[in-house]
Amino acid sequence: AQSVTQLGSHVSVSEGALVLLRCNYSSSVPPYLFWYVQYPNQGLQLLLKYTSAATLVKGINGFEAEFKKSETSFHLTKPSAHMSDAAEYFCAVTPQLSFGAGTTVTVRA
Amino acid sequence: GAGVSQTPSNKVTEKGKYVELRCDPISGHTALYWYRQSLGQGPEFLIYFQGTGAADDSGLPNDRFFAVRPEGSVSTLKIQRTERGDSAVYLCASSLGVGGTEAFFGQGTRLTVV
Repeated sequence: AQSVTQLGSHVSVSEGALVLLRCNYSSSVPPYLFWYVQYPNQGLQLLLKYTSAATLVKGINGFEAEFKKSETSFHLTKPSAHMSDAAEYFCAVTPQLSFGAGTTVTVRA
Repeated sequence: GAGVSQTPSNKVTEKGKYVELRCDPISGHTALYWYRQSLGQGPEFLIYFQGTGAADDSGLPNDRFFAVRPEGSVSTLKIQRTERGDSAVYLCASSLGVGGTEAFFGQGTRLTVV
């Protein structure tokens, strides 16, 4: 079955610093991959998705992710963190839309 | 409705009781997913439907859990003989199809078994 692993349950960055969240997938077929964000007391919302059209995917709020088949990875990055980026981030893989354990991001002023 | 609706938003039940959790997906969405999420954890996949049929129910933890989607729209997650360990937020999502389409999530039902 397809699955994802998120490395690092908690990431703390300074405002303006690079945000890097890691996701590795396990799939026997080319997967579709997603990053979702969950802000405090809110529901899950889509940040971006990979559907094989392009390996570098741009999402909302300045986030992007790169699909690397050779590394079975789909890491999420943002060049400059804002305080509003503090949230929990989840990687997910089709077809069941299985989620990783999540990475909590805190942003220091 | 405009989004995925889950009812009730909160449910408190006694250990051993039966509960039903309802999900109204976005109109026209053929795929529907159920998850449960405990505090500090990622959503745990339970089951997903494509139309009326369960395409994958491998995440259902045991035979106390069952879900239906008889007309390919509304779905009900049923839990028999509830246990305290079933306490969690149960999330529902729907999408136009499986694969690369975006899944939209409801706000969840918080189930507390006392």
